[in-house]
Amino acid sequence: NAGVTQTPKFRVLKTGQSMTLLCAQDMNHEYMYWYRQDPGMGLRLIHYSVGEGTTAKGEVPDGYNVSRLKKQNFLLGLESAAPSQTSVYFCASSYSGLAGNTGELFFGEGSRLTVL
Amino acid sequence: DAKTTQPPSMDCAEGRAANLPCNHSTISGNEYVYWYRQIHSQGPQYIIHGLKNNETNEMASLIITEDRKSSTLILPHATLRDTAVYYCIVRVVVGLPGGFKTIFGAGTRLFVKA
Repeated sequence: NAGVTQTPKFRVLKTGQSMTLLCAQDMNHEYMYWYRQDPGMGLRLIHYSVGEGTTAKGEVPDGYNVSRLKKQNFLLGLESAAPSQTSVYFCASSYSGLAGNTGELFFGEGSRLTVL
Repeated sequence: DAKTTQPPSMDCAEGRAANLPCNHSTISGNEYVYWYRQIHSQGPQYIIHGLKNNETNEMASLIITEDRKSSTLILPHATLRDTAVYYCIVRVVVGLPGGFKTIFGAGTRLFVKA
Protein backbone atom coordinates (compact mmCIF):
# COMPACT_ATOMS: atom_id res chain seq x y z
CA ASN A 1 0.00 0.00 0.00
CA ALA A 2 1.87 3.07 -1.26
CA GLY A 3 -0.62 5.68 -0.02
CA VAL A 4 -0.22 9.00 -1.85
CA THR A 5 2.57 9.20 -4.40
CA GLN A 6 3.71 12.39 -6.09
CA THR A 7 5.87 12.60 -9.20
CA PRO A 8 8.27 14.18 -9.85
CA LYS A 9 9.77 14.94 -6.44
CA PHE A 10 12.05 17.67 -7.79
CA ARG A 11 11.91 19.79 -10.92
CA VAL A 12 13.58 22.91 -12.22
CA LEU A 13 11.79 24.88 -14.91
CA LYS A 14 12.53 27.99 -16.90
CA THR A 15 9.99 30.80 -16.97
CA GLY A 16 7.31 30.08 -19.54
CA GLN A 17 7.78 26.32 -19.60
CA SER A 18 4.92 23.99 -18.84
CA MET A 19 4.77 20.90 -16.69
CA THR A 20 2.40 18.52 -14.96
CA LEU A 21 2.61 17.15 -11.43
CA LEU A 22 1.01 13.76 -10.92
CA CYS A 23 -0.63 12.62 -7.71
CA ALA A 24 -1.69 9.00 -7.39
CA GLN A 25 -3.48 7.35 -4.46
CA ASP A 26 -4.27 3.69 -3.98
CA MET A 27 -6.75 4.03 -1.10
CA ASN A 28 -9.89 4.52 -3.24
CA HIS A 29 -10.40 7.99 -1.75
CA GLU A 30 -13.09 10.22 -3.17
CA TYR A 31 -11.44 13.54 -2.39
CA MET A 32 -8.10 14.85 -3.59
CA TYR A 33 -6.34 18.16 -3.00
CA TRP A 34 -3.36 20.15 -4.25
CA TYR A 35 -1.62 22.57 -1.88
CA ARG A 36 1.43 24.75 -2.19
CA GLN A 37 3.74 25.72 0.64
CA ASP A 38 6.15 28.62 0.45
CA PRO A 39 9.09 28.91 2.86
CA GLY A 40 8.00 29.54 6.46
CA MET A 41 4.33 29.56 5.56
CA GLY A 42 1.36 27.28 5.90
CA LEU A 43 -0.30 25.29 3.16
CA ARG A 44 -2.52 27.07 0.67
CA LEU A 45 -5.17 25.18 -1.25
CA ILE A 46 -4.83 25.43 -5.03
CA HIS A 47 -7.55 23.14 -6.38
CA TYR A 48 -9.46 20.18 -5.08
CA SER A 49 -11.73 17.41 -6.33
CA VAL A 50 -14.63 15.64 -4.67
CA GLY A 51 -14.87 12.91 -7.26
CA GLU A 52 -13.80 11.61 -10.64
CA GLY A 53 -14.44 14.17 -13.34
CA THR A 54 -15.02 17.06 -10.92
CA THR A 55 -12.67 19.82 -9.78
CA ALA A 56 -13.04 23.08 -7.88
CA LYS A 57 -10.93 26.13 -7.13
CA GLY A 58 -9.23 26.63 -3.82
CA GLU A 59 -7.58 29.72 -2.33
CA VAL A 60 -4.89 30.30 -4.97
CA PRO A 61 -5.99 28.72 -8.28
CA ASP A 62 -4.58 31.29 -10.74
CA GLY A 63 -1.88 29.94 -13.03
CA TYR A 64 -2.80 26.31 -12.40
CA ASN A 65 -5.13 23.80 -13.99
CA VAL A 66 -6.16 20.38 -12.75
CA SER A 67 -7.81 17.26 -14.02
CA ARG A 68 -9.25 14.15 -12.39
CA LEU A 69 -9.99 11.76 -15.23
CA LYS A 70 -9.46 8.71 -13.04
CA LYS A 71 -10.45 8.41 -9.39
CA GLN A 72 -6.94 7.49 -8.31
CA ASN A 73 -5.13 10.33 -10.09
CA PHE A 74 -5.16 14.10 -9.69
CA LEU A 75 -2.99 16.12 -12.07
CA LEU A 76 -1.77 19.66 -11.48
CA GLY A 77 -0.64 21.59 -14.53
CA LEU A 78 1.36 24.76 -14.95
CA GLU A 79 0.84 26.05 -18.48
CA SER A 80 3.40 28.87 -18.34
CA ALA A 81 5.54 28.67 -15.23
CA ALA A 82 6.49 31.85 -13.38
CA PRO A 83 9.11 32.39 -10.64
CA SER A 84 6.23 33.08 -8.21
CA GLN A 85 5.25 29.44 -8.59
CA THR A 86 8.49 28.28 -7.02
CA SER A 87 7.22 26.29 -4.07
CA VAL A 88 6.73 22.87 -2.53
CA TYR A 89 3.55 21.23 -3.76
CA PHE A 90 1.67 18.72 -1.64
CA CYS A 91 -1.07 16.42 -2.77
CA ALA A 92 -3.55 14.93 -0.32
CA SER A 93 -6.50 12.58 -0.45
CA SER A 94 -9.27 11.52 1.90
CA TYR A 95 -12.44 9.55 2.27
CA SER A 96 -15.63 11.49 2.53
CA GLY A 97 -16.07 10.90 6.25
CA LEU A 98 -19.12 8.73 5.76
CA ALA A 99 -19.37 5.18 7.05
CA GLY A 100 -17.47 5.93 10.21
CA ASN A 101 -14.09 6.67 8.74
CA THR A 102 -12.12 9.62 10.08
CA GLY A 103 -12.11 11.74 6.94
CA GLU A 104 -8.46 12.51 7.60
CA LEU A 105 -6.22 13.77 4.84
CA PHE A 106 -3.31 11.62 3.73
CA PHE A 107 -0.45 13.62 2.26
CA GLY A 108 2.24 12.83 -0.25
CA GLU A 109 5.89 13.63 0.37
CA GLY A 110 5.83 16.81 -1.67
CA SER A 111 7.22 18.00 -5.00
CA ARG A 112 9.81 20.77 -4.97
CA LEU A 113 9.46 23.02 -7.98
CA THR A 114 11.90 25.81 -8.85
CA VAL A 115 11.12 28.23 -11.65
CA LEU A 116 14.09 30.24 -12.88
CA ASP B 1 -15.18 26.66 5.95
CA ALA B 2 -14.60 28.47 9.22
CA LYS B 3 -11.21 30.02 9.79
CA THR B 4 -8.97 29.22 12.71
CA THR B 5 -6.59 31.34 14.76
CA GLN B 6 -3.49 29.90 16.41
CA PRO B 7 -0.49 31.47 18.15
CA PRO B 8 2.48 31.56 15.78
CA SER B 9 4.86 29.80 18.15
CA MET B 10 5.11 28.12 21.54
CA ASP B 11 7.81 26.56 23.68
CA CYS B 12 7.51 23.48 25.84
CA ALA B 13 9.96 21.67 28.10
CA GLU B 14 10.66 18.05 27.25
CA GLY B 15 8.52 15.71 29.34
CA ARG B 16 5.92 18.36 30.10
CA ALA B 17 2.48 18.62 28.56
CA ALA B 18 2.18 20.83 25.51
CA ASN B 19 -1.15 22.63 25.26
CA LEU B 20 -1.80 24.16 21.86
CA PRO B 21 -4.84 26.43 21.59
CA CYS B 22 -7.01 27.10 18.57
CA ASN B 23 -9.81 29.57 18.11
CA HIS B 24 -12.59 28.75 15.64
CA SER B 25 -15.34 31.10 16.72
CA THR B 26 -17.24 30.90 13.41
CA ILE B 27 -17.41 27.12 13.28
CA SER B 28 -20.69 25.74 12.02
CA GLY B 29 -22.61 22.74 13.26
CA ASN B 30 -21.41 20.27 10.63
CA GLU B 31 -17.72 21.15 10.84
CA TYR B 32 -15.22 18.97 12.64
CA VAL B 33 -12.01 20.16 14.26
CA TYR B 34 -8.89 18.43 12.94
CA TRP B 35 -5.30 18.69 14.06
CA TYR B 36 -2.28 17.91 11.90
CA ARG B 37 1.41 18.40 12.35
CA GLN B 38 4.23 18.92 9.92
CA ILE B 39 7.75 17.91 10.83
CA HIS B 40 10.46 19.70 8.84
CA SER B 41 9.26 19.80 5.24
CA GLN B 42 7.43 16.48 5.24
CA GLY B 43 3.77 16.18 4.34
CA PRO B 44 1.43 17.00 7.25
CA GLN B 45 0.41 14.10 9.45
CA TYR B 46 -3.03 13.60 10.97
CA ILE B 47 -3.17 13.68 14.77
CA ILE B 48 -6.76 13.72 15.95
CA HIS B 49 -10.18 15.13 15.24
CA GLY B 50 -13.50 15.71 16.98
CA LEU B 51 -16.93 17.24 16.64
CA LYS B 52 -18.00 18.25 20.14
CA ASN B 53 -16.81 15.62 22.58
CA ASN B 54 -13.29 15.44 23.92
CA GLU B 55 -11.18 12.86 22.14
CA THR B 56 -8.04 10.92 23.01
CA ASN B 57 -5.81 8.63 21.01
CA GLU B 58 -2.29 7.31 21.31
CA MET B 59 -0.81 10.59 20.11
CA ALA B 60 -2.80 13.31 21.83
CA SER B 61 -5.97 14.56 23.46
CA LEU B 62 -8.38 17.08 22.00
CA ILE B 63 -10.45 19.29 24.27
CA ILE B 64 -13.30 21.18 22.59
CA THR B 65 -15.18 23.84 24.53
CA GLU B 66 -18.89 23.39 25.02
CA ASP B 67 -19.72 26.22 22.62
CA ARG B 68 -17.22 24.70 20.12
CA LYS B 69 -15.61 28.07 19.51
CA SER B 70 -12.19 26.92 20.62
CA SER B 71 -10.17 23.79 21.23
CA THR B 72 -6.88 22.67 22.73
CA LEU B 73 -4.57 19.96 21.53
CA ILE B 74 -2.68 18.32 24.37
CA LEU B 75 0.52 16.37 23.92
CA PRO B 76 0.79 14.81 27.38
CA HIS B 77 4.54 14.23 27.54
CA ALA B 78 6.26 16.23 24.84
CA THR B 79 9.51 14.90 23.39
CA LEU B 80 12.08 16.57 21.17
CA ARG B 81 10.57 14.72 18.22
CA ASP B 82 7.30 16.61 18.77
CA THR B 83 8.97 19.81 17.57
CA ALA B 84 6.88 20.66 14.51
CA VAL B 85 4.27 23.00 13.10
CA TYR B 86 0.79 22.11 14.34
CA TYR B 87 -2.23 23.00 12.26
CA CYS B 88 -5.77 23.30 13.55
CA ILE B 89 -8.38 23.19 10.81
CA VAL B 90 -12.13 22.94 10.64
CA ARG B 91 -13.63 20.85 7.94
CA VAL B 92 -16.95 19.65 6.73
CA VAL B 93 -16.88 15.87 6.61
CA VAL B 94 -20.36 15.27 5.36
CA GLY B 95 -21.83 18.28 3.71
CA LEU B 96 -22.92 20.23 0.71
CA PRO B 97 -20.96 20.46 -2.54
CA GLY B 98 -18.18 22.99 -2.14
CA GLY B 99 -18.08 22.33 1.55
CA PHE B 100 -15.09 20.07 1.38
CA LYS B 101 -12.50 22.74 0.96
CA THR B 102 -9.89 22.06 3.59
CA ILE B 103 -8.07 25.27 4.41
CA PHE B 104 -4.88 25.31 6.47
CA GLY B 105 -3.75 28.42 8.31
CA ALA B 106 -0.20 29.26 9.33
CA GLY B 107 -0.23 26.90 12.32
CA THR B 108 1.72 27.00 15.58
CA ARG B 109 5.41 26.24 15.57
CA LEU B 110 6.06 24.19 18.71
CA PHE B 111 9.61 24.05 20.04
CA VAL B 112 10.23 21.30 22.56
CA LYS B 113 13.38 22.06 24.53
CA ALA B 114 15.55 19.70 26.53
